[in-house]
Amino acid sequence: AQSVTQLDSHVSVSEGTPVLLRCNYSSSYSPSLFWYVQHPNKGLQLLLKYTSAATLVKGINGFEAEFKKSETSFHLTKPSAHMSDAAEYFCVVISRGGGFKTIFGAGTRLFVKA
Amino acid sequence: DTAVSQTPKYLVTQMGNDKSIKCEQNLGHDTMYWYKQDSKKFLKIMFSYNNKELIINETVPNRFSPKSPDKAHLNLHINSLELGDSAVYFCASSTDRVGNTIYFGEGSWLTVV
Repeated sequence: AQSVTQLDSHVSVSEGTPVLLRCNYSSSYSPSLFWYVQHPNKGLQLLLKYTSAATLVKGINGFEAEFKKSETSFHLTKPSAHMSDAAEYFCVVISRGGGFKTIFGAGTRLFVKA
Repeated sequence: DTAVSQTPKYLVTQMGNDKSIKCEQNLGHDTMYWYKQDSKKFLKIMFSYNNKELIINETVPNRFSPKSPDKAHLNLHINSLELGDSAVYFCASSTDRVGNTIYFGEGSWLTVV
């Protein structure tokens, strides 16, 4: 069965410090992996995606994620947090068993302190 | 220009009523979706349409009925609303039925009282 686990329900960082949001996946096939961001009272927006090209993926707003097959991880990072990064982040995997299905993680709420 | 637009944004209604949420996308995408997000932010797919054809129908009560008059529109009709239907409903679209890059609307906040 395909699944995605976001290891932290919430993460709190100070402005200007690094951000790490953790995501592990389970997939029998080569997965496609995504990170989406949801700001308060808004829809989700794609940050970045991995679809079997370069393992280090750069996204918008300075975010990047590294696909590590050996660790089945796809952690999201940013070198320096900004107040505007405060939002909910979703790790997503597209599974390919029994047809394609998009599976969302439970989300990680990022708090940024001034 | 709004890519995926849904109306209404906020809806408060009484139990037992019937309501509809409309969705339109101007991206030229073939695939559209309805997602439900509960109070804990958990996001679950409800339906997916590809070129007006239903391709995903998750375990959703029969009171929920999607309708796609054309590939740019996917409306959601809900009969006999219940308290548990209170949630945020997101319409979305993608270029392919696999779901590579999904574009979301801003959500419709439904409160059933």
